[in-house]
Amino acid sequence: AQSVTQPDIHITVSEGASLELRCNYSYGATPYLFWYVQSPGQGLQLLLKYFSGDTLVQGIKGFEAEFKRSQSSFNLRKPSVHWSDAAEYFCAVGAHPGGSYIPTFGRGTSLIVHP
Amino acid sequence: GAGVSQTPSNKVTEKGKYVELRCDPISGHTALYWYRQSLGQGPEFLIYFQGTGAADDSGLPNDRFFAVRPEGSVSTLKIQRTERGDSAVYLCASSSRQADTQYFGPGTRLTVL
Repeated sequence: AQSVTQPDIHITVSEGASLELRCNYSYGATPYLFWYVQSPGQGLQLLLKYFSGDTLVQGIKGFEAEFKRSQSSFNLRKPSVHWSDAAEYFCAVGAHPGGSYIPTFGRGTSLIVHP
Repeated sequence: GAGVSQTPSNKVTEKGKYVELRCDPISGHTALYWYRQSLGQGPEFLIYFQGTGAADDSGLPNDRFFAVRPEGSVSTLKIQRTERGDSAVYLCASSSRQADTQYFGPGTRLTVL
């Protein structure tokens, strides 16, 4: 069975600083990997996804993530954080049993941005 | 509509009551998913529809939970004999086909007293 670990429950950064949110996954085959963001009162929004190919994935809002098979990781990065990035971030791994791509989510990392 | 909508946005009920939660997917999306998100946790998969049929219901916790999508569009999640442990935010998502990006609704917050 697949699983996702987000080791940091909370991350605090100053506006303008760089950001890295950690994600480790467990899955027996090549995974499908996702990062979602959830702002208060908003639905989950997909930031980026990795299915195959280039291991450095660019997403929306200036985010990127790098798939590292040797480390079973898919860390999310942003070079300069904006106050509006404060939200809950979820990493997810998807399997492909019969084509459903149903993701298993981590517990999330809450990003706090200080002015 | 522009996005996935869910009604009601909040539902408070008493233990033992029956509730229905509705999801309106993006028009034309054939795949529809239900998730449950407990406080401090990530979404947990419940059931997935492809068209009118439930393609995967392995996430439903027990037989008190049931979902339908009779015309391949709107879906209703039904919970019988609600328990306090059912309190959570119930999320719905849709995608144009099973491999595509899922678009999530804002969720229904269910509170069982």
